[in-house]
Parts: sequence; structure tokens; C-alpha cells
Amino acid sequence: GAVVSQHPSRVICKSGTSVKIECRSLDFQATTMFWYRQFPKQSLMLMATSNEGSKATYEQGVEKDKFLINHASLTLSTLTVTSAHPEDSSFYICSARGGATPAYEQYFGPGTRLTVT
Amino acid sequence: GQSLEQPSEVTAVEGAIVQINCTYQTSGFYGLSWYQQHDGGAPTFLSYNALDGLEETGRFSSFLSRSDSYGYLLLQELQMKDSASYFCAVRDRDYKLSFGAGTTVTVRA
Repeated sequence: GAVVSQHPSRVICKSGTSVKIECRSLDFQATTMFWYRQFPKQSLMLMATSNEGSKATYEQGVEKDKFLINHASLTLSTLTVTSAHPEDSSFYICSARGGATPAYEQYFGPGTRLTVT
Repeated sequence: GQSLEQPSEVTAVEGAIVQINCTYQTSGFYGLSWYQQHDGGAPTFLSYNALDGLEETGRFSSFLSRSDSYGYLLLQELQMKDSASYFCAVRDRDYKLSFGAGTTVTVRA
């Protein structure tokens, strides 16, 4: 149980375009989803927290107009990278918690590798 | 804010025991988690400590001392498949995680 999926797993886009990444909890209702980015050989950096039906809370230094997060249902959150630039190239990972899962545990998706050319 | 320190690399042979230490400074501490991540993969949950003491889960154990702001992950009977990055992470009141920089464990035959 407690499976989180992400789509797409890899995406290459041109500079200036927008990319949408989906995060789904497959077998539980995710009251909270988190979005992270990870550069090669580095740690996971929390970008934002999203609760179903409410606006996302962004961490300091993360541009909310650039990284649009929508948590429309208890099983789906989306991250849209708008007007992507090469420096946005990274590994984006979502995680989810909620339902009958232990409160302290987050379940991570497999990640989306974004390359902006 | 949160600040965590853990060693960057550890190398050991199959069958050995490895201890990964994690010290933290935090404005609000609610628990210490450990995650494993293989190259290109998703982090997977290993262990969680909210109270002082040792938690044992198979070959992996985790320890916490809140008074020392310190914890460790113990990997026993190392196997080649344990080669991965290991992250400690502190949880805040809102269940947000702040991760350490990660420790790369390399297991040699």
C-alpha cells in the first residue's frame, strides 16, 4: 500500500515553455502533498506544501508564479513549471501523506527528471 | 530554520556494520526520519524516531537522543544492494521534512 506515482518520469522541453508534472496517490487519500527538487548528488529541497482544496504554501526563495501547484483532489497534485529555463532543469519529486498511513511518514513518488534546452 | 549534518561518504565491505551519524539544529523538533535513495530513484522510508532510544527494523536500526540533538542509522550485515544515499530528515509541527545533505554508502565485495 501507500503508492505514489508521478508522470511523466522524464521530460525535455524548450526554454520558455511550460511543463506540468502530475503526482498521484494510488491507494490512499493524500491530505497533504509536498514538492521537492533535487540537483545531482545533492539533498532534497522542499519547494512547497499543498493541502487539498487550499492554496499551496511555498518555501522561502521559491517563486510561486513560476512553480504553480494545484491540489485539486485528495489523490492528485500538479506542479507546473512556467516559462522554463535551463536552470530549472532538475529532478522533481513529490511526496504524500494522509489516510491511514502513519502521520509521520511521507511516501515519495519516483520523480520527474526535467531537462530544459 | 533547520540544519542537519551527516558524513558525506562511507565505504565498507559486505557483511560489515555501518553507522551514519546525524546532528541537527532545529527551531522545532518533532521527529527524525531516515530515508534511502538509490541513484535516480525515489527516497524510501527506513525509520523514524520521535522519542529517545533505539528503533530496530530488520537489519536497520535508528537511534535518537533529543538532549544531544543527535541520531544515527545503523546498517548491519551490509549487502551490495545497500549501496545508496541515506538521508536524515527532521520533521516539524506541520509534517514538513528538512533533509540532511545525504551520506553515500558504498559497499565493496
